[in-house]
Amino acid sequence: DAKTTQPTSMDCAEGRAANLPCNHSTISGNEYVYWYRQIHSQGPQYIIHGLKNNETNEMASLIITEDRKSSTLILPHATLRDTAVYYCIVMPNDYKLSFGAGTTVTVRA
Amino acid sequence: NAGVTQTPKFRILKIGQSMTLQCTQDMNHNYMYWYRQDPGMGLKLIYYSVGAGITDKGEVPNGYNVSRSTTEDFPLRLELAAPSQTSVYFCASSYEPRVPFGANVLTFGAGSRLTVL
Repeated sequence: DAKTTQPTSMDCAEGRAANLPCNHSTISGNEYVYWYRQIHSQGPQYIIHGLKNNETNEMASLIITEDRKSSTLILPHATLRDTAVYYCIVMPNDYKLSFGAGTTVTVRA
Repeated sequence: NAGVTQTPKFRILKIGQSMTLQCTQDMNHNYMYWYRQDPGMGLKLIYYSVGAGITDKGEVPNGYNVSRSTTEDFPLRLELAAPSQTSVYFCASSYEPRVPFGANVLTFGAGSRLTVL
């Protein structure tokens, strides 16, 4: 199963774009990249997912490199409420999915 | 539409006691999952189920049991509780992907915080 590598933490200024990188160099051709976030101790919340093409929804944009070995989650205008742990995951084909430690994002006023 | 509901939210157990964490979903999802999350760590898969009557072990199944008699419910049983099982437990559910290895978005419950003393 493809593993992901994310920075442990990052800071972002309120109102600015937050760019969260993720490496998944062993991803297979049919495996999706997903992003979730966990605010405080709540259950993780789905943000976005993609296979090959870039994706955008009301929460964020997902940019996947052409070789699919890395991706970037973009929060276009970060707010204080975006402070959370962000998980980049690759869905294994058997759906036995665990989450790594993620990136702790702190948005500062 | 309540989504994924977990009970109880908090529980303190003594070593050796047993208990069941309840999870129910009203979205007619056929996939369901149990995770545990230790402080400062990610989520580890305990058990999962792809439909009623079908369960399978995840990454950390020891000390736990599950059953799936209905589509809606997926209880997690802790037998002989140990301090190492102190954790926050999350239940999640999802639709079966429409195509093989297709998209699979999980919806999570609010969590159950368990302390074993």
